[in-house]
Amino acid sequence: GQNIDQPTEMTATEGAIVQINCTYQTSGFNGLFWYQQHAGEAPTFLSYNVLDGLEEKGRFSSFLSRSKGYSYLLLKELQMKDSASYLCAVMDSNYQLIWGAGTKLIIKP
Amino acid sequence: GAVVSQHPSWVICKSGTSVKIECRSLDFQATTMFWYRQFPKQSLMLMATSNEGSKATYEQGVEKDKFLINHASLTLSTLTVTSAHPEDSSFYICSARDPREGDYNEQFFGPGTRLTVL
Repeated sequence: GQNIDQPTEMTATEGAIVQINCTYQTSGFNGLFWYQQHAGEAPTFLSYNVLDGLEEKGRFSSFLSRSKGYSYLLLKELQMKDSASYLCAVMDSNYQLIWGAGTKLIIKP
Repeated sequence: GAVVSQHPSWVICKSGTSVKIECRSLDFQATTMFWYRQFPKQSLMLMATSNEGSKATYEQGVEKDKFLINHASLTLSTLTVTSAHPEDSSFYICSARDPREGDYNEQFFGPGTRLTVL
């Protein structure tokens, strides 16, 4: 079956760095997405990786290793507004998004 | 990026009534839209894929007759929850791919509709 694993919850301190891991097993691979979702709101797009390596976008970076079925989202210089759930999603061979359960990130002052 | 809207943002209804949720792509034409449901503290669950001009493709376990999907135009898809019951209370979110994005495959999400069935 298809499976996306990510930690349920993480806590970090304002100004610090946090890495959220995601491992996946899917039938085919057409890219991996990271979305941010604040409580009561719809997800918003953060990043897309389809090739191995690191994609940097401001304070956020995303890494992918296809051979290991592994990705991480790196958040630097954490701000209180970064408190949210972070969803990892993989697009399978049918171009369907398979969603992880999300990682709730709690930022403490 | 592309903009997707949903209406209404929230709705409260009595058990047994039907509720219609609209999803619109505002600045692009979406041949395919997706309907998700999200229960508290859970991830998104794909309910169905809505294709313009044809029948929707439902995920396993989703009742076609209860969740009616109509994609009559390239910018509008509707989800009707028929004979709603309290267990249908959830956050319903639609998304669409912008075909102008090519192979990027990003889905643009609407703001979601919070349904509460009393």
